[in-house]
Amino acid sequence: DSGVTQTPKHLITATGQRVTLRCSPRSGDLSVYWYQQSLDQGLQFLIQYYNGEERAKGNILERFSAQQFPDLHSELNLSSLELGDSALYFCASSTRTSGSFQEQFFGPGTRLTVL
Amino acid sequence: GIQVEQSPPDLILQEGANSTLRCNFSDSVNNLQWFHQNPWGQLINLFYIPSGTKQNGRLSATTVATERYSLLYISSSQTTDSGVYFCAPPISSGSARQLTFGSGTQLTVLP
Repeated sequence: DSGVTQTPKHLITATGQRVTLRCSPRSGDLSVYWYQQSLDQGLQFLIQYYNGEERAKGNILERFSAQQFPDLHSELNLSSLELGDSALYFCASSTRTSGSFQEQFFGPGTRLTVL
Repeated sequence: GIQVEQSPPDLILQEGANSTLRCNFSDSVNNLQWFHQNPWGQLINLFYIPSGTKQNGRLSATTVATERYSLLYISSSQTTDSGVYFCAPPISSGSARQLTFGSGTQLTVLP
């Protein structure tokens, strides 16, 4: 158990819908990262937050957005869903973003299926 | 950005055999993580290794940052070692610290 929690574990929805994925980082971790794992694209970085502020963006679609709340949990919002959005979405956390790189720990993931 | 290549892409072993997985990266890195993704999809941290060698039970990892590669050794493999192994160096740009993943090595250990 990494200490990172994600809900829900599985999500099945229809095209055009909107969903919210939730992540709670390890106790004390200020940085949260979202990654997407799909069959064709592999594991890709989406977005990073540090203590409530966005710090880096990767290959995140405009239909996707995220935020980190004062209690440090984060939500990833996916809207106007398409079949190609079906993937495993991971959240990771680490202690801090400044200074040397800190080890990232991954949650169990949310498996999204868009029908 | 940094390119990560892992080899071999697939590996099938008999239980008890040893193996070496390789990770090449295109740019110098300050650190690197190795993960095991089990058949249930969970990403498990194996090593966090900037350089040198680390060992954890039957697994060990060596990173030679100056030559831009890392190796993961699995000895006396067990069926529970099956899954995909990823190496992931971080991007270090400003305040960004995201990981770049290779395409992984799919390991199957047969009983």
